[in-house]
This record gives sequence, structure tokens and C-alpha cells, in this order.
Amino acid sequence: LAKTTQPISMDSYEGQEVNITCSHNNIATNDYITWYQQFPSQGPRFIIQGYKTKVTNEVASLFIPADRKSSTLSLPRVSLSDTAVYYCLVGDMRRDDKIIFGKGTRLHILP
Amino acid sequence: DVKVTQSSRYLVKRTGEKVFLECVQDMDHENMFWYRQDPGLGLRLIYFSYDVKMKEKGDIPEGYSVSREKKERFSLILESASTNQTSMYLCASSLLGRLNQPQHFGDGTRLSIL
Repeated sequence: LAKTTQPISMDSYEGQEVNITCSHNNIATNDYITWYQQFPSQGPRFIIQGYKTKVTNEVASLFIPADRKSSTLSLPRVSLSDTAVYYCLVGDMRRDDKIIFGKGTRLHILP
Repeated sequence: DVKVTQSSRYLVKRTGEKVFLECVQDMDHENMFWYRQDPGLGLRLIYFSYDVKMKEKGDIPEGYSVSREKKERFSLILESASTNQTSMYLCASSLLGRLNQPQHFGDGTRLSIL
């Protein structure tokens, strides 16, 4: 199972772009990379998922280098409401059960 | 929009009681999951189910059981509650077949065992 490592916490300011990097050195061929966001007193919410290169949706972008040993979640022009915990997950595309949530990155957006 | 509903937001029970946590999803998802979330430990998978009457142990199944009698409903059972089961419990569902489908979570049940 691919283990992920992310910063425990990050601070940023409103209007800035925030990049959260996740390391997953043991990622396997069949693994996808998925990011979730969690607000206090709520369940995690899916943000974005990718396998390689770059994926973009209306919320974020996900950058995955060729070796896939890391990935970077990019949040453009953050606001106070982006304060949350962000989880990077690496999961085997053949096994839904073995997707492991780590401890996440606590992002704090300052005014 | 997918809706995963957990029966209680807050629950207080006593040591030794049998506790039922209920979860219902309205999107005809095959997979359903139960996690617990504790400060500093992230989310840990307790059990999951990929079909009616099917269940698989997750990483921390001890002290818990589950029931899936209908596709939309997945119950977590604490057979004899203990204080170390005080936690936030999260239910999730996802589609089977297309792998690595996003999991859709409920808002959690904060369970306190006294």
C-alpha cells in the first residue's frame, strides 16, 4: 500500500494560490491519486483525482510529475472558506477498500 | 446530488450498551464504508460492504460488526460499547465497477461512551 506524506499544516492569505504537495514514493502502477477536503463537523468531500500529468476542474488543479512519486494540489485564489483539512490518498484502482486516509494537511487561510 | 445520511449527529451511550449507527444513501451505490476519525489519527476504515449481505473487515474491525440487509442501508454495531470507542464515525458510499470512484460521505456521528 502506498503511504503518503503531506505537511501537517500550512498558512496562506486570501487571494493567493496555495500548493499542497504530497509524497508517495511507493506508488504502484495501478494507483490513482485523489484529494479530499474536510471542513469541521462535516465528512470529507472529493475535490479532484488524477493518474498522471495535469488534471483541472472548477475547484482545483492536480499536478503529477512523470515519476508519479509526488503530486501537488493547487488551489487558485483562496478565500477564508478554503480553510479546511486536505487529504491526499493513493489507491489501487482494483481495490476500493484499500484507500487509506492519512492525517491530512490543515490549511489555514488568513485575511 | 448524492446524499449520505447518518441517523444521528450526536449520540451519548453508556459502557456495555449495544449501539447502532445507521447510514442511508440515495444513489444506488454498491459500496458502503464505515470509518472512525480521531484527532491526530485521521480516518481509519472499520468495515466496508460491496453488496447486500457482503462485508469485509477494514483496518480496525475489533469491537464492531456491520449489517447490510438492503442496498441503501449500512449499519455499524458496537456490540458492547467501551470508552475507547468514543469517536467521530463517518459513513461513505461509492459506485462499484468503475474503480476509484469518489467516496461520498455523510456528516458524521459524534459518539460519546460514558
